[in-house]
Amino acid sequence: EDQVTQSPEALRLQEGESSSLNCSYTVSGLRGLFWYRQDPGKGPEFLFTLYSAGEEKEKERLKATLTKKESFLHITAPKPEDSATYLCAVAFYGGSQGNLIFGKGTKLSVKP
Amino acid sequence: NAGVTQTPKFQVLKTGQSMTLQCAQDMNHEYMSWYRQDPGMGLRLIHYSVGAGITDQGEVPNGYNVSRSTTEDFPLRLLSAAPSQTSVYFCASRMTGLSNQPQHFGDGTRLSIL
Repeated sequence: EDQVTQSPEALRLQEGESSSLNCSYTVSGLRGLFWYRQDPGKGPEFLFTLYSAGEEKEKERLKATLTKKESFLHITAPKPEDSATYLCAVAFYGGSQGNLIFGKGTKLSVKP
Repeated sequence: NAGVTQTPKFQVLKTGQSMTLQCAQDMNHEYMSWYRQDPGMGLRLIHYSVGAGITDQGEVPNGYNVSRSTTEDFPLRLLSAAPSQTSVYFCASRMTGLSNQPQHFGDGTRLSIL
């Protein structure tokens, strides 16, 4: 069964305390893996797309990496404004045109 | 830059009522979709469209209808609202039907069914 699992469900960090969020996936063939940020009361905001194992993307304090089974979102020296829920989504071969599988998200809280 | 616009932002309905959630995008995207987001669950696809006049069902289509008469608009209709349809609804679009392209989301409609 095609599946996307994010861990941990929630993560509390102190400002400046670096950490990583995990997105593991089981799909027949990866077409692309997406990271989104979602603030309370808002829609998901696109961050990165990764297409193949070994690929990395960076944006400010965020760095996304991809292996054949999982992706990590590394947060370096986070600030309170990085607090949000981070969603992972996977597009895969064999699925319908409309379908992505979304993970349940990791809620990140960064305390000053 | 408007992007994807959803209206209304909040709505309360009584069981059995019908209503239409509006979604418009100004990016000339071919592909549009509707998701629902419930606590403890990932976003789930309701319906999608790969172009004007073409729609298809997603994972959870029961109780919802869609149509796509223009590239810009993709309304979602609740035929007879049920408490199980209480949720946050998101509309999204992407440039083409290729699933390896990112989607852009609206800010959602928060719907409560009493």
